[in-house]
Amino acid sequence: NAGVTQTPKFQVLKTGQSMTLQCAQDMNHNSMYWYRQDPGMGLRLIYYSASEGTTDKGEVPNGYNVSRLNKREFSLRLESAAPSQTSVYFCASSDWDRSYNSPLHFGNGTRLTVT
Amino acid sequence: AQSVTQLDSQVPVFEEAPVELRCNYSSSVSVYLFWYVQYPNQGLQLLLKYLSGSTLVKGINGFEAEFNKSQTSFHLRKPSVHISDTAEYFCAVTLNTGFQKLVFGTGTRLLVSP
Repeated sequence: NAGVTQTPKFQVLKTGQSMTLQCAQDMNHNSMYWYRQDPGMGLRLIYYSASEGTTDKGEVPNGYNVSRLNKREFSLRLESAAPSQTSVYFCASSDWDRSYNSPLHFGNGTRLTVT
Repeated sequence: AQSVTQLDSQVPVFEEAPVELRCNYSSSVSVYLFWYVQYPNQGLQLLLKYLSGSTLVKGINGFEAEFNKSQTSFHLRKPSVHISDTAEYFCAVTLNTGFQKLVFGTGTRLLVSP
């Protein structure tokens, strides 16, 4: 049972380059999320998808786009990377809509450095 | 909007000593409260949650937390810590209606030494 899988685990980009972070879950969850984690700031919500075909902005969406490709996959795209986007990115999923107290299930993160 | 404050960025403690990690929240409406733990190079895992009912909730690995509505707090406690409890702990809150969007605190790093 893989849970939430993120790829890649590590990435180094130059300023201005683009890339897509991939996330897939095998728990049949409707809801998926992208968070970024920065020292001293905890986790901040970038985008979320309440169900297949819908996406919404979170707390810090600027500079990012997302795609809910299907129920399993939720990708995060950086069109023109900036040093301020150096962070650890976490994908998570939940079936809160079936069980409101359902916790978030997290992937192991993607460590991104933008030089 | 709801928010979470974890005042202690780091808590050093000796093995087998008790520990309390503090969490205060702010919200004008009812909320659900959570504690998550993050071990090095891993994602977050749920420790425990408060939804309703008894204000003392027990979680995994011997941790417990007490919900105090009057003080808007949800402090995490363990009577005797182990070296393996060394990790970062995050308190989180979400409204108890509508779509679940967790808001996390800034985290407390628990350092357990022999």
